Amino acid sequence: NAGVTQTPKFQVLKTGQSMTLQCAQDMNHEYMSWYRQDPGMGLRLIHYSVGAGITDQGEVPNGYNVSRSTTEDFPLRLLSAAPSQTSVYFCASSSISGGVYGYTFGSGTRLTVV
Amino acid sequence: DAKTTQPTSMDCAEGRAANLPCNHSTISGNEYVYWYRQIHSQGPQYIIHGLKNNETNEMASLIITEDRKSSTLILPHATLRDTAVYYCIVRGYGGATNKLIFGTGTLLAVQP
Repeated sequence: NAGVTQTPKFQVLKTGQSMTLQCAQDMNHEYMSWYRQDPGMGLRLIHYSVGAGITDQGEVPNGYNVSRSTTEDFPLRLLSAAPSQTSVYFCASSSISGGVYGYTFGSGTRLTVV
Repeated sequence: DAKTTQPTSMDCAEGRAANLPCNHSTISGNEYVYWYRQIHSQGPQYIIHGLKNNETNEMASLIITEDRKSSTLILPHATLRDTAVYYCIVRGYGGATNKLIFGTGTLLAVQP
């Protein structure tokens, strides 16, 4: 049971480049979310999903796209990276089957846009 | 989503109990109180949650006031490894209300 796996752990992009941050969970969780954390700040919700085929915007969605084609995967796409997107990105998942559960977080992707 | 208010920082001596307060005066009847912590550079870690009653697990205890407008997270015997930012979050159950919105949290510094 690997939990929530994020890849890559580190990435440097040039302004204008695109990339996809991968997130996978093996716990059959319905809910998945993406957060960003800037230095010295709390986590801010980018996008979330309540199940396969269903996504919605969080607090700071601009510049990011998501899709949820399977229960296990929830990739985050940066179409045209900007220096303001330099941050640490965390993916999280949660289940509500049979009760109320806490989220499980991945170890993060540290992204630098130059 | 209900807002929470936490002190910016707290100190605690190693081996003593750490009591972290949280105000959530606008909490609604179907919202839970969750506590997470984030040790430097790592992903947040779930600690405990509750609705009305006090809760205890292997990590901590959660005391919720009768009017549910505030709560206290108790780490009974703090260690240096408990130094982290602690987040108190109010969260609904099911659908879009399941999303987790973080505030700024309390930086707990456990002193040797």
